[in-house]
Amino acid sequence: QKEVEQNSGPLSVPEGAIASLNCTYSDRVSQSFFWYRQYSGKSPELIMSIYSNGDKEDGRFTAQLNKASQYVSLLIRDSQPSDSATYLCAVRGSGAGSYQLTFGKGTKLSVIP
Amino acid sequence: DAEITQSPRHKITETGRQVTLACHQTWNHNNMFWYRQDLGHGLRLIHYSYGVHDTNKGEVSDGYSVSRSNTEDLPLTLESAASSQTSVYFCASSESPGGYEAFFGQGTRLTVV
Repeated sequence: QKEVEQNSGPLSVPEGAIASLNCTYSDRVSQSFFWYRQYSGKSPELIMSIYSNGDKEDGRFTAQLNKASQYVSLLIRDSQPSDSATYLCAVRGSGAGSYQLTFGKGTKLSVIP
Repeated sequence: DAEITQSPRHKITETGRQVTLACHQTWNHNNMFWYRQDLGHGLRLIHYSYGVHDTNKGEVSDGYSVSRSNTEDLPLTLESAASSQTSVYFCASSESPGGYEAFFGQGTRLTVV
């Protein structure tokens, strides 16, 4: 059974600070990793994807991947109250023909003005 | 703009009834997925399809079925609704080959009484 683990939070950070969200996964051969943001009562929205070891930056968001440690993280710089949401880590199934995603349970982030 | 839509958005049904939730996407994606989301469990995969006439069971497929007669639609049927199937259901799609990012519909909140 493939597992994706996240700290459920809530994680509270002051406005303007860096929020750090972490995720570990059990399937060593996983190749594709995603972060989704989900506001309360809404559907998940893709915000970052990462496929290679290292950092990937997009605006205020940075995804970090360490395949050796089976660890993915999301940093949100200059956190805003509008970033308050649940963040879901997702991992694509291994294998050439595998497209389904396994999700963690999510980390709830609260940005305090 | 291309999109993925679910209907109905809210549904209340009685135990034992057959219920069908619709999912329609206009991206021409080959891959389509159904997830359910419950407190404490996160998003769990119910069924998925990689193309017309292809269907596969996910982690929590018991009591559910899908059929794929065209690229755009993947309806989810609850054969005999049970209270344990009260949940929020999300449909998602992704393109193949290559595109692993999945995009979600708005969700359907189903209550079985």
